[in-house]
Amino acid sequence: TQLLEQSPQFLSIQEGENLTVYCNSSSVFSSLQWYRQEPGEGPVLLVTVVTGGEVKKLKRLTFQFGDARKDSSLHITAAQPGDTGLYLCAGGGTSYGKLTFGQGTILTVHP
Amino acid sequence: DTAVSQTPKYLVTQMGNDKSIKCEQNLGHDTMYWYKQDSKKFLKIMFSYNNKELIINETVPNRFSPKSPDKAHLNLHINSLELGDSAVYFCASSPGTGLKLFFGSGTQLSVL
Repeated sequence: TQLLEQSPQFLSIQEGENLTVYCNSSSVFSSLQWYRQEPGEGPVLLVTVVTGGEVKKLKRLTFQFGDARKDSSLHITAAQPGDTGLYLCAGGGTSYGKLTFGQGTILTVHP
Repeated sequence: DTAVSQTPKYLVTQMGNDKSIKCEQNLGHDTMYWYKQDSKKFLKIMFSYNNKELIINETVPNRFSPKSPDKAHLNLHINSLELGDSAVYFCASSPGTGLKLFFGSGTQLSVL
């Protein structure tokens, strides 16, 4: 069974601070996705990384896939209250369309 | 013009009842899924269909039966509901390999 450990589980910071969320596994994944979920809504895909060592940037968000494709990180620069939400990492394995999700990180950015 | 829509949004029912959740996607995707999110926000896949054919069936009790009348619809029927079935159920679709999932807004099921 593939597992993804996500940390921290909770993160409460002030507007303008930087933060990093980690997603780690002992298993190799063919792809790694990051989603953001707001209360009462479904997760929304932020990015997909597929190559070991890959780095993708989405405005103030930087995503990295580990060289061995077992881990990933999400870094947010100068966090804003609008970044508040549940961040989920999800690994794609060999089974068609099956994603293994991490436990999630609840981020709260205070004005 | 919602991409993935599921109904109802909220479902409150008694133990032992049978209930259904409906899902429709207008994105033209070939693959649809049912995921369950527990009270700790952990998301776990239940089923996956590709062009109406079941391709993923995780360890889910037989009381849960998905049905896909066409590739735009995937419904979930649950028999003999139990307290432990209380969760948020998400429908999702993807254009193929599952690298990009589009989720519905969820159905919060409460079994009393």
